[in-house]
Amino acid sequence: RKEVEQDPGPFNVPEGATVAFNCTYSNSASQSFFWYRQDCRKEPKLLMSVYSSGNEDGRFTAQLNRASQYISLLIRDSKLSDSATYLCVVNIRNNAGKSTFGDGTTLTVKP
Amino acid sequence: NAGVTQTPKFQVLKTGQSMTLQCAQDMNHEYMSWYRQDPGMGLRLIHYSVGAGITDQGEVPNGYNVSRSTTEDFPLRLLSAAPSQTSVYFCASSQDSPYEQYFGPGTRLTVT
Repeated sequence: RKEVEQDPGPFNVPEGATVAFNCTYSNSASQSFFWYRQDCRKEPKLLMSVYSSGNEDGRFTAQLNRASQYISLLIRDSKLSDSATYLCVVNIRNNAGKSTFGDGTTLTVKP
Repeated sequence: NAGVTQTPKFQVLKTGQSMTLQCAQDMNHEYMSWYRQDPGMGLRLIHYSVGAGITDQGEVPNGYNVSRSTTEDFPLRLLSAAPSQTSVYFCASSQDSPYEQYFGPGTRLTVT
């Protein structure tokens, strides 16, 4: 079983739709969680950190469920520019410097 | 402030050749990492460093060496290239763990 698993999609949604991605992690010692965005053939860039209390940044909301060991990303009012691959990233406690990436979920927003 | 730079952008090697992928950052970050990304997959950690003089293996270290003699530079050496090493290689740095990682633009390597 992979340490970090994501639904690969693709998710094809119309503009204005709400879409949610989940990411599950297997190591209960996981401490820090992030969502990165990667455009085609480009480098990943941080979208959001995921806090225990959940956090929101405009149309994006991230949630953490430690009991079930998953994090989620909700995108409201999807834009064409949201089309990208979304990568879930997990860091383990006491394992400084070592991040584990999921394989990513691909989103295509259509007019 | 250039961030994280990587050279070369593209490289074609023959099986058995060796080469070094360069990575440099000008943000005075302590943490640096090398990842590879194969088509349709996420990033897999090759090697990482938590400071000058300190390196450790990631998930897929075989066939690669690293060193960290300065804070700024973190080169990745392919010892004897194999077709299985055809991939896109990303270097990243961060101020601390587990803070935001900043990635370079990547090196696209093909081994024939």
